[in-house]
Amino acid sequence: AQSVTQLDSHVSVSEGTPVLLRCNYSSSYSPSLFWYVQHPNKGLQLLLKYTSAATLVKGINGFEAEFKKSETSFHLTKPSAHMSDAAEYFCVVSVSSASKIIFGSGTRLSIRP
Amino acid sequence: NAGVTQTPKFQVLKTGQSMTLQCAQDMNHEYMSWYRQDPGMGLRLIHYSVGAGITDQGEVPNGYNVSRSTTEDFPLRLLSAAPSQTSVYFCASSYSIGVEVTEAFFGQGTRLTVV
Repeated sequence: AQSVTQLDSHVSVSEGTPVLLRCNYSSSYSPSLFWYVQHPNKGLQLLLKYTSAATLVKGINGFEAEFKKSETSFHLTKPSAHMSDAAEYFCVVSVSSASKIIFGSGTRLSIRP
Repeated sequence: NAGVTQTPKFQVLKTGQSMTLQCAQDMNHEYMSWYRQDPGMGLRLIHYSVGAGITDQGEVPNGYNVSRSTTEDFPLRLLSAAPSQTSVYFCASSYSIGVEVTEAFFGQGTRLTVV
């Protein structure tokens, strides 16, 4: 069965400092992995995706994530946080054989001035 | 190209009422799904479909029915609304390229309140 665990429900960083949002996954097959962002009272926007190509994936707004099979992790990072990054972030796993897309419980990112 | 369209955007129901949330996509995607979003719980999968005529249950299917008579449409029916079904509902579509599943394309959501 496939599942995804976001290790932190809330992360708070100062503006200009690095961001790390942690995600571990479980999948019996080679997964596709995604990060989505949701700003308050808005819909879901795709940040980046991993689909078995390069293990370091670059997304929009300066975010990137690294797929580490040995650690079953797909952590999201950004070198320097901006106030506009304050939002809810979701790690997502998908396996074609299961035909399901499963979301993590989300990490709320707060940015301190 | 409209993408994924959900209607209505807002709905208030009384306990025991039934209703259908509509979802349509114009991208010819094979996969469609319904999620509910509750605070602190992320998006939980209600039902999903891998093609016309094929549906299956997700994590939280109780109280909901779906059908998929066409590739484009995937309505979600609440049989007898309960306050526990107060939530924001998202419909999504996606497709696969070989063994890789693309990202989910989402509708704008339906905010449902059951009183």
